[in-house]
Amino acid sequence: SYELTQPPSVSVSPGQTARITCSADALPNQYAYWFQQKPGQAPILVIYKDSERPSGIPERFSGSSSGTTVTLTISGVQAEDEADYYCQSVDSSGTYVFGTGTKVTVL
Amino acid sequence: EVQLVQSGAEVKKPGESLKISCKGSGYSFTTYWIAWVRQMPGKGLEWMGIIYPGDSDTRYSPSFQGQVTMSADKSIKTAYVQWRSLKASDTAMYYCATGEYYHDSRGSKFFHPFDYWGQGTLVTVSS
Repeated sequence: SYELTQPPSVSVSPGQTARITCSADALPNQYAYWFQQKPGQAPILVIYKDSERPSGIPERFSGSSSGTTVTLTISGVQAEDEADYYCQSVDSSGTYVFGTGTKVTVL
Repeated sequence: EVQLVQSGAEVKKPGESLKISCKGSGYSFTTYWIAWVRQMPGKGLEWMGIIYPGDSDTRYSPSFQGQVTMSADKSIKTAYVQWRSLKASDTAMYYCATGEYYHDSRGSKFFHPFDYWGQGTLVTVSS
């Protein structure tokens, strides 16, 4: 089955840059999306179509894609960015797949 | 403003049935798919399936096929997911979500169902 693998955790100091990778075991030629989820809250979309940012999402959030890996970058991390982050895509059969999730800790 | 409001928390016993709901507002309920997502305690997000309220066309994740039934009542702009016989392993937070239509690089239109999320419904199954 199609899998999206993320590092379990990323730690970063305030003001530094956090990079979260999401690796696919195949290249389905589908866009990737990123979600932020804080404890006790529903996920929110922070990046769509690999690198687009929804309105209301701070500019410090950006997305990129290269080969079978997509990356979420948070530039100038703030304490409020501490959360779980999930990537998401679609496999060749049309099944929506979420990544394994990454906990971002702001030191 | 797109809003999805889900029904309240449920505590059930194994073997009992359950139906939870998700009411949409602020958009065209019949022309936007609604997806359901499970999150087990301390775990990640899992897509369960998706329903098109306009004609109740439903697609299930292979992992959830036969385990749940999705439905929608367009007259009251509400989508549902139901279980016939709950198990302890069904204990989880369940989210509904809907999204937007986009175009890809070739100009083809597609739907992404996770732009807007409900607040979640916590289902606890315990004897």
